[in-house]
Amino acid sequence: QSALTQPPSVSGSPGQSVTISCTGAISDVGNFDHVSWYQQPPGTAPKLIIYEVSDRPSGVPDRFSGSKSGNTASLTISGLQAEDEADYYCSSYIDRKTWVFGGGTKLTVL
Amino acid sequence: QVRLVEAGGRVVQPGGSLKLSCSTSGFNFRNHGMLWVRQAPGKGLEWVASIGYDGSDIYYAGAVNERFTISRDNSKNTLFLQMSSLRMEDTAVFYCARHEFNGLDVWGRGTTVTVSS
Repeated sequence: QSALTQPPSVSGSPGQSVTISCTGAISDVGNFDHVSWYQQPPGTAPKLIIYEVSDRPSGVPDRFSGSKSGNTASLTISGLQAEDEADYYCSSYIDRKTWVFGGGTKLTVL
Repeated sequence: QVRLVEAGGRVVQPGGSLKLSCSTSGFNFRNHGMLWVRQAPGKGLEWVASIGYDGSDIYYAGAVNERFTISRDNSKNTLFLQMSSLRMEDTAVFYCARHEFNGLDVWGRGTTVTVSS
């Protein structure tokens, strides 16, 4: 299973919105809604911020939203804040068996 | 408070073996599938293995298949990863994570495995 494709980096100024894409194939992202997103600040463990394409765990601000179209899932962060600076990873849970992650995207808040 | 604590990481020579553990608390361990995910230095996350709530439904990434074995002891709320024939490319921080809502909702802080001669 090949890794999902994410842009290596994105950036935005405080208050702006940024979107991170996650492109897979019909065999993973395109065929299953089990897409999740993780935030990983430097030196820390990943944290779940979106599951099942667009659901947020309790405690995650509604500035974080997810969507999917075809083989591409997206994470949008609105009202960008300095604390959002981190690496972001998408993941697809495939056919309730295996998992695949994206390569990660480094978000820089200018 | 839900907690996952990995242990067992150390420096090991190529070809060697190592067993990692993930001690859990604060939730009903026997109700959850669990995973191991690793992160090589400066690299992204990589799924390693997963196991169903009752020890069935075991799956491995191709890079570790037939070298790593995932297991669990529900009586001790602990997850394991037995690693053998270790290679330099297995050097990574190994995280255990809880499977919930088809996402990984709780992660440990990781344990570092270094394969080096």
